[in-house]
Amino acid sequence: GAVVSQHPSRVICKSGTSVKIECRSLDFQATTMFWYRQFPKQSLMLMATSNEGSKATYEQGVEKDKFLINHASLTLSTLTVTSAHPEDSSFYICSARSPGQGYNYGYTFGSGTRLTVV
Amino acid sequence: GENVEQHPSTLSVQEGDSAVIKCTYSDSASNYFPWYKQELGKGPQLIIDIRSNVGEKKDQRIAVTLNKTAKHFSLHITETQPEDSAVYFCAARVTGGGNKLTFGTGTQLKVEL
Repeated sequence: GAVVSQHPSRVICKSGTSVKIECRSLDFQATTMFWYRQFPKQSLMLMATSNEGSKATYEQGVEKDKFLINHASLTLSTLTVTSAHPEDSSFYICSARSPGQGYNYGYTFGSGTRLTVV
Repeated sequence: GENVEQHPSTLSVQEGDSAVIKCTYSDSASNYFPWYKQELGKGPQLIIDIRSNVGEKKDQRIAVTLNKTAKHFSLHITETQPEDSAVYFCAARVTGGGNKLTFGTGTQLKVEL
Protein backbone atom coordinates (compact mmCIF):
# COMPACT_ATOMS: atom_id res chain seq x y z
CA GLY A 1 0.00 0.00 0.00
CA ALA A 2 0.87 3.67 -0.11
CA VAL A 3 3.50 4.86 2.34
CA VAL A 4 4.38 8.31 3.59
CA SER A 5 7.71 8.57 5.36
CA GLN A 6 7.90 11.35 7.93
CA HIS A 7 11.11 12.47 9.60
CA PRO A 8 12.24 13.07 12.20
CA SER A 9 9.99 11.11 14.53
CA ARG A 10 11.15 13.14 17.51
CA VAL A 11 13.02 16.41 17.79
CA ILE A 12 14.00 18.63 20.68
CA CYS A 13 15.07 22.16 19.90
CA LYS A 14 15.89 25.29 21.81
CA SER A 15 13.50 28.18 21.92
CA GLY A 16 14.12 30.60 19.05
CA THR A 17 15.54 28.04 16.64
CA SER A 18 13.91 26.55 13.56
CA VAL A 19 12.98 22.95 12.89
CA LYS A 20 12.24 21.26 9.58
CA ILE A 21 9.98 18.25 9.24
CA GLU A 22 9.96 16.21 6.04
CA CYS A 23 7.31 14.04 4.49
CA ARG A 24 8.00 11.86 1.49
CA SER A 25 5.55 9.78 -0.47
CA LEU A 26 7.46 6.63 -1.27
CA ASP A 27 5.43 4.93 -3.96
CA PHE A 28 3.05 7.51 -5.31
CA GLN A 29 2.94 11.12 -6.33
CA ALA A 30 1.41 13.36 -3.70
CA THR A 31 -0.32 16.17 -5.50
CA THR A 32 -1.69 17.46 -2.22
CA MET A 33 -0.16 17.43 1.24
CA PHE A 34 -1.99 18.25 4.43
CA TRP A 35 -0.23 19.25 7.64
CA TYR A 36 -1.87 18.69 11.00
CA ARG A 37 -1.03 19.54 14.58
CA GLN A 38 -2.20 17.44 17.46
CA PHE A 39 -1.96 18.41 21.11
CA PRO A 40 -2.09 15.71 23.81
CA LYS A 41 -5.46 13.99 24.07
CA GLN A 42 -6.89 16.17 21.33
CA SER A 43 -7.92 15.69 17.75
CA LEU A 44 -6.00 16.48 14.60
CA MET A 45 -6.25 20.11 13.61
CA LEU A 46 -5.51 21.00 10.01
CA MET A 47 -2.85 23.66 9.73
CA ALA A 48 -2.44 23.99 5.99
CA THR A 49 -2.94 22.39 2.61
CA SER A 50 -0.28 22.47 -0.06
CA ASN A 51 -0.43 21.51 -3.69
CA GLU A 52 2.72 20.71 -5.57
CA GLY A 53 4.23 23.81 -7.08
CA SER A 54 1.78 26.19 -5.41
CA LYS A 55 1.73 28.23 -2.26
CA ALA A 56 0.18 26.57 0.75
CA THR A 57 -3.28 27.49 1.95
CA TYR A 58 -3.34 28.05 5.69
CA GLU A 59 -6.25 27.53 8.00
CA GLN A 60 -7.58 30.43 9.98
CA GLY A 61 -5.39 31.26 12.94
CA VAL A 62 -2.26 29.53 11.62
CA GLU A 63 0.67 31.89 11.11
CA LYS A 64 2.04 31.33 7.63
CA ASP A 65 5.30 33.10 8.44
CA LYS A 66 5.88 30.83 11.39
CA PHE A 67 4.94 27.55 9.76
CA LEU A 68 6.62 27.51 6.38
CA ILE A 69 5.46 24.82 4.00
CA ASN A 70 7.27 23.81 0.86
CA HIS A 71 5.88 21.33 -1.63
CA ALA A 72 8.38 21.65 -4.43
CA SER A 73 8.06 18.12 -5.77
CA LEU A 74 5.40 15.45 -6.06
CA THR A 75 7.15 13.29 -3.49
CA LEU A 76 8.40 15.74 -0.88
CA SER A 77 6.81 18.34 1.36
CA THR A 78 8.42 20.08 4.28
CA LEU A 79 7.13 22.01 7.26
CA THR A 80 9.52 24.40 8.93
CA VAL A 81 8.64 25.75 12.35
CA THR A 82 10.51 29.04 12.58
CA SER A 83 11.56 30.71 15.80
CA ALA A 84 10.02 27.90 17.77
CA HIS A 85 8.66 28.53 21.24
CA PRO A 86 7.51 26.12 23.94
CA GLU A 87 3.88 26.61 22.91
CA ASP A 88 4.77 25.14 19.51
CA SER A 89 5.54 21.83 21.19
CA SER A 90 3.12 19.37 19.67
CA PHE A 91 2.72 16.30 17.48
CA TYR A 92 2.86 17.23 13.80
CA ILE A 93 1.44 14.87 11.19
CA CYS A 94 1.42 15.03 7.43
CA SER A 95 -1.05 13.41 5.07
CA ALA A 96 -0.47 12.96 1.38
CA ARG A 97 -3.09 12.60 -1.29
CA SER A 98 -3.06 11.66 -4.92
CA PRO A 99 -6.33 11.78 -6.87
CA GLY A 100 -5.48 8.65 -8.77
CA GLN A 101 -4.59 6.65 -5.71
CA GLY A 102 -7.10 3.95 -5.10
CA TYR A 103 -5.94 2.93 -1.66
CA ASN A 104 -8.04 4.56 1.08
CA TYR A 105 -9.40 7.08 -1.38
CA GLY A 106 -6.08 8.88 -1.49
CA TYR A 107 -5.19 9.85 2.09
CA THR A 108 -2.03 8.40 3.57
CA PHE A 109 -0.72 9.64 6.88
CA GLY A 110 2.84 9.92 8.06
CA SER A 111 3.93 8.53 11.41
CA GLY A 112 4.13 11.94 13.03
CA THR A 113 6.84 14.14 14.55
CA ARG A 114 6.96 14.90 18.24
CA LEU A 115 8.39 18.41 18.59
CA THR A 116 9.54 19.58 22.00
CA VAL A 117 10.78 23.15 22.36
CA VAL A 118 12.83 23.82 25.47
CA GLY B 1 -17.40 24.80 7.50
CA GLU B 2 -17.88 21.17 8.35
CA ASN B 3 -18.24 20.19 12.01
CA VAL B 4 -17.90 16.62 13.20
CA GLU B 5 -18.99 15.52 16.65
CA GLN B 6 -17.93 12.19 18.11
CA HIS B 7 -19.21 10.20 21.08
CA PRO B 8 -18.30 8.81 23.49
CA SER B 9 -14.95 10.32 24.37
CA THR B 10 -13.98 7.21 26.30
CA LEU B 11 -15.27 3.68 26.02
CA SER B 12 -14.34 0.69 28.10
CA VAL B 13 -15.48 -2.79 27.12
CA GLN B 14 -14.69 -6.33 28.11
CA GLU B 15 -12.75 -8.47 25.70
CA GLY B 16 -15.12 -10.15 23.30
CA ASP B 17 -17.82 -7.50 23.62
CA SER B 18 -18.80 -5.08 20.89
CA ALA B 19 -17.91 -1.40 20.76
CA VAL B 20 -19.83 1.31 18.98
CA ILE B 21 -18.63 4.84 18.32
CA LYS B 22 -20.90 7.44 16.79
CA CYS B 23 -20.26 10.59 14.80
CA THR B 24 -22.47 13.30 13.39
CA TYR B 25 -21.56 15.79 10.71
CA SER B 26 -23.05 19.11 9.77
CA ASP B 27 -22.46 19.58 6.04
CA SER B 28 -24.79 17.60 3.82
CA ALA B 29 -22.23 17.94 1.01
CA SER B 30 -19.87 15.55 2.82
CA ASN B 31 -19.29 12.47 0.69
CA TYR B 32 -16.52 10.46 2.31
CA PHE B 33 -16.28 9.19 5.88
CA PRO B 34 -13.14 7.42 7.04
CA TRP B 35 -12.35 5.99 10.45
CA TYR B 36 -8.83 6.01 11.84
CA LYS B 37 -7.11 4.19 14.65
CA GLN B 38 -4.28 6.01 16.36
CA GLU B 39 -1.92 4.37 18.77
CA LEU B 40 0.16 6.42 21.16
CA GLY B 41 2.90 8.35 19.43
CA LYS B 42 1.91 7.22 15.95
CA GLY B 43 0.07 8.63 12.99
CA PRO B 44 -3.54 7.67 12.24
CA GLN B 45 -4.17 4.45 10.37
CA LEU B 46 -7.24 3.97 8.23
CA ILE B 47 -9.34 1.06 9.43
CA ILE B 48 -12.45 1.46 7.31
CA ASP B 49 -14.18 4.08 5.24
CA ILE B 50 -17.50 4.62 3.53
CA ARG B 51 -18.69 6.80 0.72
CA SER B 52 -21.96 8.65 0.67
CA ASN B 53 -23.56 6.34 -1.88
CA VAL B 54 -23.27 3.36 0.46
CA GLY B 55 -25.18 2.72 3.67
CA GLU B 56 -23.02 0.06 5.25
CA LYS B 57 -19.63 -1.50 4.85
CA LYS B 58 -18.02 -4.37 6.68
CA ASP B 59 -14.49 -5.69 6.94
CA GLN B 60 -14.16 -8.71 9.21
CA ARG B 61 -14.80 -7.47 12.78
CA ILE B 62 -15.22 -3.86 11.76
CA ALA B 63 -18.25 -2.24 10.18
CA VAL B 64 -19.38 1.28 9.45
CA THR B 65 -22.93 2.49 8.88
CA LEU B 66 -24.00 5.77 7.36
CA ASN B 67 -27.32 7.55 7.68
CA LYS B 68 -27.24 10.47 5.26
CA THR B 69 -30.64 11.73 6.26
CA ALA B 70 -29.67 12.03 9.89
CA LYS B 71 -26.09 12.95 8.99
CA HIS B 72 -24.51 10.44 11.25
CA PHE B 73 -22.22 7.46 10.87
CA SER B 74 -21.05 4.82 13.30
CA LEU B 75 -18.16 2.45 13.79
CA HIS B 76 -18.91 -1.03 15.06
CA ILE B 77 -16.19 -3.34 16.34
CA THR B 78 -17.24 -6.85 17.26
CA GLU B 79 -15.37 -9.45 19.30
CA THR B 80 -13.05 -6.81 20.68
CA GLN B 81 -9.50 -7.73 21.55
CA PRO B 82 -6.91 -5.99 23.77
CA GLU B 83 -5.03 -4.88 20.65
CA ASP B 84 -8.10 -2.87 19.63
CA SER B 85 -7.31 -0.50 22.50
CA ALA B 86 -6.41 2.86 20.95
CA VAL B 87 -7.89 6.22 20.08
CA TYR B 88 -10.37 6.16 17.21
CA PHE B 89 -11.19 9.19 15.07
CA CYS B 90 -13.97 9.65 12.59
CA ALA B 91 -13.64 12.17 9.79
CA ALA B 92 -15.69 13.68 7.00
CA ARG B 93 -14.79 15.18 3.69
CA VAL B 94 -16.88 17.84 1.99
CA THR B 95 -17.27 17.74 -1.76
CA GLY B 96 -15.43 20.68 -3.24
CA GLY B 97 -13.96 21.59 0.10
CA GLY B 98 -10.38 21.30 -1.04
CA ASN B 99 -10.43 17.60 -0.16
CA LYS B 100 -9.87 18.48 3.46
CA LEU B 101 -10.82 16.02 6.16
CA THR B 102 -12.52 17.31 9.28
CA PHE B 103 -11.88 15.05 12.27
CA GLY B 104 -14.04 14.19 15.21
CA THR B 105 -12.76 14.67 18.74
CA GLY B 106 -11.69 11.07 19.20
CA THR B 107 -12.71 8.10 21.34
CA GLN B 108 -10.32 6.37 23.70
CA LEU B 109 -11.25 2.71 23.51
CA LYS B 110 -10.01 0.40 26.21
CA VAL B 111 -10.57 -3.32 25.92
CA GLU B 112 -10.18 -5.00 29.26
CA LEU B 113 -9.29 -8.62 29.82
